[in-house]
Amino acid sequence: DAKTTQPPSMDCAEGRAANLPCNHSTISGNEYVYWYRQIHSQGPQYIIHGLKNNETNEMASLIITEDRKSSTLILPHATLRDTAVYYCIVRVTTDSWGKLQFGAGTQVVVTP
Amino acid sequence: DAGITQSPRHKVTETGTPVTLRCHQTENHRYMYWYRQDPGHGLRLIHYSYGVKDTDKGEVSDGYSVSRSKTEDFLLTLESATSSQTSVYFCAIRTLMNTEAFFGQGTRLTVV
Repeated sequence: DAKTTQPPSMDCAEGRAANLPCNHSTISGNEYVYWYRQIHSQGPQYIIHGLKNNETNEMASLIITEDRKSSTLILPHATLRDTAVYYCIVRVTTDSWGKLQFGAGTQVVVTP
Repeated sequence: DAGITQSPRHKVTETGTPVTLRCHQTENHRYMYWYRQDPGHGLRLIHYSYGVKDTDKGEVSDGYSVSRSKTEDFLLTLESATSSQTSVYFCAIRTLMNTEAFFGQGTRLTVV
């Protein structure tokens, strides 16, 4: 699976949009981009995933660049409960085992 | 919580003793995974299972064994616990059709 690069930390003001970047310059055509987050002491939580089109769900939006070498997770209106470590992961679509390889992620702190 | 229960949630054990952690799911999902999480290493895959009696090793499988005799239970065994196995252990499940994984709340294991 391709490796990802994320900033180690970022701050965001409550109520503002949080834009989390992820670089995956070696991504292959059959690899999806996944985002998970982990709130302190809890298990990771799935947020969203996409292949090449932008995706949106009730939690977030995922913007993938046209060349697919980078993506941005957008939390439209950050709340204090969004404080967590956010992981960007790429995984091949043909990997039936669904193994996820987590990196260090981005520690997001939402401040009042 | 996607019907995942890990037990015990906390355990302290002595070096050299056997330890078994249990992951129980109520959703009849086919895929199950065991991860460990340590500071500076993030989440690392230990073992995973495709179905009953069908398991395989992850990236950090040394010192661990698993068993899956029933769809709903995935057991992780430390045959002889060592201090390096002090960690937080997470179980995850995934369906055949869905690509996202759901994680349990974790088991904090301390080997003294």
